[in-house]
Amino acid sequence: AQTVTQSQPEMSVQEAETVTLSCTYDTSESDYYLFWYKQPPSRQMILVIRQEAYKQQNATENRFSVNFQKAAKSFSLKISDSQLGDAAMYFCAYRSARSGSEKLVFGKGTKLTVNP
Amino acid sequence: DGGITQSPKYLFRKEGQNVTLSCEQNLNHDAMYWYRQDPGQGLRLIYYSQIVNDFQKGDIAEGYSVSREKKESFPLTVTSAQKNPTAFYLCASSWAASSYEQYFGPGTRLTVT
Repeated sequence: AQTVTQSQPEMSVQEAETVTLSCTYDTSESDYYLFWYKQPPSRQMILVIRQEAYKQQNATENRFSVNFQKAAKSFSLKISDSQLGDAAMYFCAYRSARSGSEKLVFGKGTKLTVNP
Repeated sequence: DGGITQSPKYLFRKEGQNVTLSCEQNLNHDAMYWYRQDPGQGLRLIYYSQIVNDFQKGDIAEGYSVSREKKESFPLTVTSAQKNPTAFYLCASSWAASSYEQYFGPGTRLTVT
């Protein structure tokens, strides 16, 4: 079974600075998808970024980018120019590309605090 | 506006009572999911459905039941057999292919006393 590990329960960053959140996963599959979700205090889960395992290029969405290291099974999220609105829980998630295995497997999350 | 609605936002029940949480989506998604979130934990899958009139157990299905009579709706019933039902429940939906991300509703906080 696949597992996702987020080793940093809490992180903090100064406004306008850069922070990196770590995520590692365990799988025997070669084709899969990885996601970062944000959960602000409202508790609505919001997709931040996604990465297809077959793509070597790291995904980028505005101030958010990932460092995907397939051999190391690592998928970190970098937030540049941090803003107060980035404060939230961040969850890393794995989804198999195998048909019939559409469920997301989540890590336990990292709570990000942004200090003004 | 397209999206996923869950109602109510907060729900209180007495122990021993069944309770049904609603989830409706107008995104024309084929697949729908129910997750449970506990403090300090990630989300855990309860049930999912890829097509109407079909659903599969997730990792923690015991004490829960679902139905999928319409594409838009996937209600979750928390039965009295669920030993620790107090939690935050999130519904999600996606197109069936695994590459598509899941979109989440706003969640329902269930408290059982």
